[in-house]
Amino acid sequence: DAGITQSPRYKITETGRQVTLMCHQTWSHSYMFWYRQDLGHGLRLIYYSAAADITDKGEVPDGYVVSRSKTENFPLTLESATRSQTSVYFCASISGGSYNSPLHFGNGTRLTVT
Amino acid sequence: RKEVEQDPGPFNVPEGATVAFNCTYSNSASQSFFWYRQDCRKEPKLLMSVYSSGNEDGRFTAQLNRASQYISLLIRDSKLSDSATYLCVVNYLGSGNQFYFGTGTSLTVIP
Repeated sequence: DAGITQSPRYKITETGRQVTLMCHQTWSHSYMFWYRQDLGHGLRLIYYSAAADITDKGEVPDGYVVSRSKTENFPLTLESATRSQTSVYFCASISGGSYNSPLHFGNGTRLTVT
Repeated sequence: RKEVEQDPGPFNVPEGATVAFNCTYSNSASQSFFWYRQDCRKEPKLLMSVYSSGNEDGRFTAQLNRASQYISLLIRDSKLSDSATYLCVVNYLGSGNQFYFGTGTSLTVIP
């Protein structure tokens, strides 16, 4: 019962480098989400995807790119990392638009940009 | 105005105490409501869904008041292990199935 997994758990990178955070789920959930969590801001939506090949911007998409070629994978790429992107990143999924379906979270990636 | 607002606390309560958290939401068309628990910036984990009629799970009781647009969480007989941050989460299917999070309420249960 792997559920939803993120990799890497921890990542340190330098300003200007490209970084990709991976998210994989085994439930065949249609919706997937990327959030970042920073002190004082709570969880903020970066991008989400309703199905394979369908993605849309969330609240804070600038500097990030996503793709979803397969239902189970939803990678998040920082094209040119900046210090302001130092954060904890959570991937999440939900089975569909059904009423009262909760989000299921991965265990997070702690990213530090130096 | 934020979609979901919570009192950040912190709430420091002795073991065995009863503590209540409230959360207000701004979109009257919101359809699903949840309480999540988060420990030390680990991933949030579902504590319980909140149903219109109110619901209980052991020592935890959740209530929804649609007229006043708030949800509440009551914890009875607090345990040390209840120390965590509690996130209020609201879902509005009409916005692309987006979830809106409160910033969380910090609870510390003291021996």
